[in-house]
Amino acid sequence: GQNIDQPTEMTATEGAIVQINCTYQTSGFNGLFWYQQHAGEAPTFLSYNVLDGLEEKGRFSSFLSRSKGYSYLLLKELQMKDSASYLCAVRDQGLTGGGNKLTFGTGTQLKVEL
Amino acid sequence: KAGVTQTPRYLIKTRGQQVTLSCSPISGHRSVSWYQQTPGQGLQFLFEYFSETQRNKGNFPGRFSGRQFSNSRSEMNVSTLELGDSALYLCASSWGAWGSSYNEQFFGPGTRLTVL
Repeated sequence: GQNIDQPTEMTATEGAIVQINCTYQTSGFNGLFWYQQHAGEAPTFLSYNVLDGLEEKGRFSSFLSRSKGYSYLLLKELQMKDSASYLCAVRDQGLTGGGNKLTFGTGTQLKVEL
Repeated sequence: KAGVTQTPRYLIKTRGQQVTLSCSPISGHRSVSWYQQTPGQGLQFLFEYFSETQRNKGNFPGRFSGRQFSNSRSEMNVSTLELGDSALYLCASSWGAWGSSYNEQFFGPGTRLTVL
């Protein structure tokens, strides 16, 4: 099975940098995703890591350490529109060794203030 | 390119009834996954269908079932509804190719189910 932990809430200032951590325990790791979800909307894809290291995508970066069961999402130059829930999700091997069985954390509610 | 569509967007049912939700994936996507989202439990995986076959399954009771059609559209059914089934039901589609390590999922807007 899977167990994913991430902080419930975080607050940061516009223009600043914030790091959202995610730790996981898994029986068959096959990739880690970060999604953003604004209130009342569907989650949207931010990043994907399957190998150790940092993946950068504009203002967003995501890091993975498989040996430590740890990932973080880094948001730079925060904007008010970044206020949302950030979901960490781990994909495992599933029944057939493939596919899209994702286990999500409960999400980190980020509030960006002036 | 049209996104993932789900119908209906809102639904009110009473305990004991059954409900069918529909999901149309992005054109060309063959994998459809279903999730239940509640404030207390977050997003929980229900099942995934690929080429009309259930490829993965979460830990939900047998009252929750699904199917996929040859055009990749999918339906999920919940029988004998309980109050605790009130939730946002999201479906997500992806290419779903075998052996692919990268399968970004695109989510639909969800169906908000309220059980009274």
